[in-house]
Amino acid sequence: GQNIDQPTEMTATEGAIVQINCTYQTSGFNGLFWYQQHAGEAPTFLSYNVLDGLEEKGRFSSFLSRSKGYSYLLLKELQMKDSASYLCAVRDHASGGSYIPTFGRGTSLIVHP
Amino acid sequence: EAGVTQFPSHSVIEKGQTVTLRCDPISGHDNLYWYRRVMGKEIKFLLHFVKESKQDESGMPNNRFLAERTGGTYSTLKVQPAELEDSGVYFCASSQEPVETQYFGPGTRLLVL
Repeated sequence: GQNIDQPTEMTATEGAIVQINCTYQTSGFNGLFWYQQHAGEAPTFLSYNVLDGLEEKGRFSSFLSRSKGYSYLLLKELQMKDSASYLCAVRDHASGGSYIPTFGRGTSLIVHP
Repeated sequence: EAGVTQFPSHSVIEKGQTVTLRCDPISGHDNLYWYRRVMGKEIKFLLHFVKESKQDESGMPNNRFLAERTGGTYSTLKVQPAELEDSGVYFCASSQEPVETQYFGPGTRLLVL
């Protein structure tokens, strides 16, 4: 199985940059996802990393190091609407081939003026 | 394109009663997943349908939970009889292929009193 660890809560200032870390342990790594979830809403897909390196998508970037079992989500030019929970999820192809992701508890990001 | 929809958005029932949750996946998505998030914990996998067949139901807590997907379109998750510990948010997600990104619905908030 996977052990996924991410900080419970982070705060940052509007316009700043914030990095949300995620560490994991898995026997058959097959991809890492980041989702954003606003209170009372559906988790929304942000990024997917399966190879090492940085994936950039607008203000959001996601990094993966498979050898270290480590990923981070980088949010630039923070806006108030970025206040949300950010979920790290890891997929393990050893799970009977069904590719089910295992989720971390999420990091609650609070952006203040 | 419509996203994943779930009904009802909220449900409050008494212990021992029955509740049925419904999920309508994105049109054309053969893969449908049920997850649950208990307060303070991470999102946990319940089961995975491919069309009308159960591909993986390893996450179902016990036999009080019954999921169906007759016809391979929408799915229902019935809890009978409900217990206090069943309270939480039940999410549904869908994808075209198992390896592809899952898109989540807004969830059903279930409170068992």
